[in-house]
Amino acid sequence: GAVVSQHPSWVICKSGTSVKIECRSLDFQATTMFWYRQFPKQSLMLMATSNEGSKATYEQGVEKDKFLINHASLTLSTLTVTSAHPEDSSFYICSARDPSQAVVYGYTFGSGTRLTVV
Amino acid sequence: DAKTTQPTSMDCAEGRAANLPCNHSTISGNEYVYWYRQIHSQGPQYIIHGLKNNETNEMASLIITEDRKSSTLILPHATLRDTAVYYCIVRVYTNAGKSTFGDGTTLTVKP
Repeated sequence: GAVVSQHPSWVICKSGTSVKIECRSLDFQATTMFWYRQFPKQSLMLMATSNEGSKATYEQGVEKDKFLINHASLTLSTLTVTSAHPEDSSFYICSARDPSQAVVYGYTFGSGTRLTVV
Repeated sequence: DAKTTQPTSMDCAEGRAANLPCNHSTISGNEYVYWYRQIHSQGPQYIIHGLKNNETNEMASLIITEDRKSSTLILPHATLRDTAVYYCIVRVYTNAGKSTFGDGTTLTVKP
């Protein structure tokens, strides 16, 4: 089935620094990817839609200047948390769809990235 | 997306069938029912989806009522590895990627 890889799995950074998270579709091309955030003991919240070759679409309340999304190729989307603060500590997850297998597998999620800002 | 209601938690004995209900009384005619699960500290995993007919795959079965206002996910022989949070999501197929995740049901499979 379709595989979505996220890197890193976990990262610890100092307050005020920036962190980049990568989301790759390993065996398919994805024109659209989605980024979610999940705080402890809470459900996933959609942050933004990443579109290959164009600007990302952000959900209401998500700061686009803080969460920079780049989707420069059909297999890679990156989320950069700029000037990170402790309240940005969360579990970040991406998802994508293999157009050739969407009916069978639905959307495939990455394994997530645990960000801790100290 | 139509709103869904799921029980907060359920227990199931290992080897028994786990039946997870979901209410979606405001579902529209073109909306599908999707089920995902999330094992602790991992990304969600797709399980199954359906429109109005019952569906079965290697992981589970999905039973949708005739009026489509509710559904049940059935794990026929639950194992300890099935302990996870199960999410029922209702959405239009073309908008499938923009999922609204509710709180889900925490299923605990006990030996």
